[in-house]
Amino acid sequence: ETGVTQTPRHLVMGMTNKKSLKCEQHLGHNAMYWYKQSAKKPLELMFVYNFKEQTENNSVPSRFSPECPNSSHLFLHLHTLQPEDSALYLCASSQDNGDRNEQFFGPGTRLTVL
Amino acid sequence: AQSVTQLGSHVSVSEGALVLLRCNYSSSVPPYLFWYVQYPNQGLQLLLKYTTGATLVKGINGFEAEFKKSETSFHLTKPSAHMSDAAEYFCAVSDRTGANNLFFGTGTRLTVIP
Repeated sequence: ETGVTQTPRHLVMGMTNKKSLKCEQHLGHNAMYWYKQSAKKPLELMFVYNFKEQTENNSVPSRFSPECPNSSHLFLHLHTLQPEDSALYLCASSQDNGDRNEQFFGPGTRLTVL
Repeated sequence: AQSVTQLGSHVSVSEGALVLLRCNYSSSVPPYLFWYVQYPNQGLQLLLKYTTGATLVKGINGFEAEFKKSETSFHLTKPSAHMSDAAEYFCAVSDRTGANNLFFGTGTRLTVIP
């Protein structure tokens, strides 16, 4: 595997389900990100991890819970979601060394909440 | 605070015609600027970025963009459109302080007519 991978690619869940999205980067980066992409809206930054520590949480509801066990893996745990949470969830990684280095994106997980 | 405005959510050009996608930004400090492309069912891929130095930046696939501070713009151009350029294009800005966070525009969908 190369780059940034995300699983699953598609997920349909009910509002009472609990599921997790997984992201893995094979680039040796030290920063990872979760974004939400909804139709007709800008990409929304949800969470940022630098060196496995969460540095940003942009007022994301608690029904989204991130986990970063190491610098290569990032999870987004989902529970009691709402239909408006249906979107494409993108993971990205970058090398955060004080310069504005490129963020590399995964293909995303298309989430549908019924 | 940073924000990005992309004029035109949809742009159609004929194959071989000039491509011009507009991006204006609002930033309290001179920003870093990026253009990303997203093909169907894929994540975002960096086309080009401006950090310092020459204001005309060349990217992949024949695209280029010019940073114009006086106009707070970073428009994306390509002299001759190809069918494979059909995709969604996102302009993003990052400031020069703090974390490596990107703020995205709402995107412009480019259609290329044969």
